[in-house]
Amino acid sequence: KNEVEQSPQNLTAQEGEFITINCSYSVGISALHWLQQHPGGGIVSLFMLSSGKKKHGRLIATINIQEKHSSLHITASHPRDSAVYICAVPNTGNQFYFGTGTSLTVIP
Amino acid sequence: ETGVTQSPTHLIKTRGQQVTLRCSSQSGHNTVSWYQQALGQGPQFIFQYYREEENGRGNFPPRFSGLQFPNYSSELNVNALELDDSALYLCASSVQTGGVTEAFFGQGTRLTVV
Repeated sequence: KNEVEQSPQNLTAQEGEFITINCSYSVGISALHWLQQHPGGGIVSLFMLSSGKKKHGRLIATINIQEKHSSLHITASHPRDSAVYICAVPNTGNQFYFGTGTSLTVIP
Repeated sequence: ETGVTQSPTHLIKTRGQQVTLRCSSQSGHNTVSWYQQALGQGPQFIFQYYREEENGRGNFPPRFSGLQFPNYSSELNVNALELDDSALYLCASSVQTGGVTEAFFGQGTRLTVV
């Protein structure tokens, strides 16, 4: 069992749809990170959160520390949101465990 | 926007050559970790430096080495490059404050070995 699990692995949505990507983890953490990676591109940090909710534009991230679960939501999805979304959690030694990623395709 | 910058963003090297990748960390972050992400794979931990000393290493051979400098910059060196070293290399700088890990990721350096 991986320390960090994401679902779904692949997601196709119509433009404008509301999207949710889930991340569950088994390691104890102090903060969870959501990352975005476009095909052939580098990593962009979207959120770092340790409690509650954060919002940036159309992106919303929530975390429930007790349940060891986080969600990334995209409202009014757009084709430019097509990317791989990865959640990552640090262990006590600040080494990161990465989820397998969710590949999102938004169709116009 | 994070305070972590990696250079170069893209690089092409020939098999057998040596390469140095650089990471400029967030000021105050005393820990830097390097990861390798091969095509279609998740990032794999290479090693970590804490206060300029290696503080953990993943399953990578000794030809992968690193340095961390007092000015929060660091380097990843790879000797005798192999074709399988082609990947995206990520650095992440972090610091623990009050039990909370603050970490930022660089955008990565894409290395192609031909």
